[in-house]
Amino acid sequence: EVQLLESGGDLVQPGGSLRLSCAASGFTFSNYAMTWVRQAPGKGLEWVASIGSDAGTTYYADSVKGRFTISRDNSKNTLYLQMNSLRAEDTAVYYCANYYCTISNCYRNYDHWGQGGLVTVSS
Amino acid sequence: DIQMTQSPSSLSASVGDRVTITCRASQSISNSLNWYQQKPGKAPNLLIFAASNLQSGVPSRFSGSGSGTDFTLTINSLHPEDFATYFCQQSYSSFVTFGPGTKVDIK
Repeated sequence: EVQLLESGGDLVQPGGSLRLSCAASGFTFSNYAMTWVRQAPGKGLEWVASIGSDAGTTYYADSVKGRFTISRDNSKNTLYLQMNSLRAEDTAVYYCANYYCTISNCYRNYDHWGQGGLVTVSS
Repeated sequence: DIQMTQSPSSLSASVGDRVTITCRASQSISNSLNWYQQKPGKAPNLLIFAASNLQSGVPSRFSGSGSGTDFTLTINSLHPEDFATYFCQQSYSSFVTFGPGTKVDIK
């Protein structure tokens, strides 16, 4: 059974930093691309960042580019999101999800999600 | 970025009703459109992928159609457990975007 477990969510002051982790099990982690999606309280879903299976490619939403860094450790089956220069508008539940890519195409339909980790940015 | 819109933003329906939600992309995305259901406090659940393909384990009363820029999600004979928020998502671009959501509540 595929399991994705986020951790590291916390209350942080504006301008601060936080690192989220997503521990994966039940599938061959190194074969899958991974993504972070967030949801502000009472709002819709916002894609944040994605990373290829070998970490060779990364993509970021404009809203986080230059402040957030997505990374992975395939030896630990873990995905990370380093968040710096945090703002109030980054307050959200952060979900990780996996997806599969072939040489020619990526199938960005997310059928497995973590339970979400809450990040609150407030003074 | 590809912008996604949904209509309506909310609707009220009764058990047994047929419900249709539309999603529009700001440019052609072929059939790279997915639908999710989300209930309060839970992660989204994939219903439909590639516009019209039912995800394994999803009831057959859910169906999707469309291509290019216009898509629909239809729920035939609404069940009590279907009251939730529905999001579309384009997977055409590496820069994924979601629609703003449609909340389906009880009339």
